[in-house]
Amino acid sequence: SQTIHQWPATLVQPVGSPLSLECTVEGTSNPNLYWYRQAAGRGLQLLFYSVGIGQISSEVPQNLSASRPQDRQFILSSKKLLLSDSGFYLCAWISGRAAPGELFFGEGSRLTVL
Amino acid sequence: TQLLEQSPQFLSIQEGENLTVYCNSSSVFSSLQWYRQEPGEGPVLLVTVVTGGEVKKLKRLTFQFGDARKDSSLHITAAQPGDTGLYLCAGTGNTGGFKTIFGAGTRLFVKA
Repeated sequence: SQTIHQWPATLVQPVGSPLSLECTVEGTSNPNLYWYRQAAGRGLQLLFYSVGIGQISSEVPQNLSASRPQDRQFILSSKKLLLSDSGFYLCAWISGRAAPGELFFGEGSRLTVL
Repeated sequence: TQLLEQSPQFLSIQEGENLTVYCNSSSVFSSLQWYRQEPGEGPVLLVTVVTGGEVKKLKRLTFQFGDARKDSSLHITAAQPGDTGLYLCAGTGNTGGFKTIFGAGTRLFVKA
């Protein structure tokens, strides 16, 4: 069966420090991968999506970046965090056989920037 | 820019009551999903609607896709405390199969 894992689950970082969140999918190949950010109790904002290795589409210009070095690995990074980067970050995947929009989400990574 | 607007933003009801949550947009979507999210967890898919006018039922939950594929509703009959959570609608654009956007969500609280 397919699974998706994110880490770390919780992160507290000072302003100006770097960030690296990792997401790995198991049990499938060539998935579409997504990074979303969620403010407290609100909807999800699409940050990046990827349809293949090295292929990244950015939806929101900001100080975050994403990379897909391997088929089932998706990484969210920042060189210098801002207070506004705090939030709940969710990685998601969709298989080629699912209908568009049928996403499976990871457990989430809660980032607090102080 | 595609946007999905959900209403109401917050709903607090007594156990046994019925409720309807709405998801509206000026854009056409190739498909629309409803998700439910518990605090501290990722959203979980409830249903996908694809055809205009489509109605799907999942136990006490009824989902409808608008004829023009721009809006959707979620109706819960005889709500129970276990229905408490954040309900999110999501849509995938009509021009490509990759970009899925979410509404701001409806937070439902069902009191026993």
